[in-house]
Amino acid sequence: DAGVIQSPRHEVTEMGQEVTLRCKPISGHDYLFWYRQTMMRGLELLIYFNNNVPIDDSGMPEDRFSAKMPNASFSTLKIQPSEPRDSAVYFCASSGTVNQPQHFGDGTRLSIL
Amino acid sequence: AQKITQTQPGMFVQEKEAVTLDCTYDTSDQSYGLFWYKQPSSGEMIFLIYQGSYDEQNATEGRYSLNFQKARKSANLVISASQLGDSAMYFCAMREGRRTTDSWGKFQFGAGTQVVVTP
Repeated sequence: DAGVIQSPRHEVTEMGQEVTLRCKPISGHDYLFWYRQTMMRGLELLIYFNNNVPIDDSGMPEDRFSAKMPNASFSTLKIQPSEPRDSAVYFCASSGTVNQPQHFGDGTRLSIL
Repeated sequence: AQKITQTQPGMFVQEKEAVTLDCTYDTSDQSYGLFWYKQPSSGEMIFLIYQGSYDEQNATEGRYSLNFQKARKSANLVISASQLGDSAMYFCAMREGRRTTDSWGKFQFGAGTQVVVTP
């Protein structure tokens, strides 16, 4: 079975530009999570969805960040406008239930210049 | 507020020895879940082991075992017979209990412990 698929793997862009990160969860998984990892702040949960519905977005840093899940097989995390402090590795993860392990994608390494 | 504490930022362990990674957590929920993940230098996150708060037995998965002490709110990971490939960052994580039909309490990761296995 295919794992969680994220794209792009790497993104370098200038500040002020819109950035869109994409995620395809494992088929049949009801939960989808977006995380951000930095050296300073560690691994932070930004938002998670259950059956395509956002459940908890309290970790989204500010209004420049938005996430959508239009269907069970696709989610996006958008940053507009981007800033250098958004540079991080962004992970998407999915799980069947909350008690099952989250399967992580390979991450998107984002650099904002 | 930080709910997961990993007090060991880094440690060295010799090959074939056992190592214990500490994790304490803070929650007032009765139902919660605890997870351990491994992140090698290549960056991927690999699930290792899960312990539910109501599980009476300590979880084990191959060389990994979880020393769950509920009253002390600790969930230490024990890696037996360390291998060079065990060198990685290890994260403890907690999922708090149900809040509504569709929502759960916080998911939070600790700061991690860097393990280096030496020959």
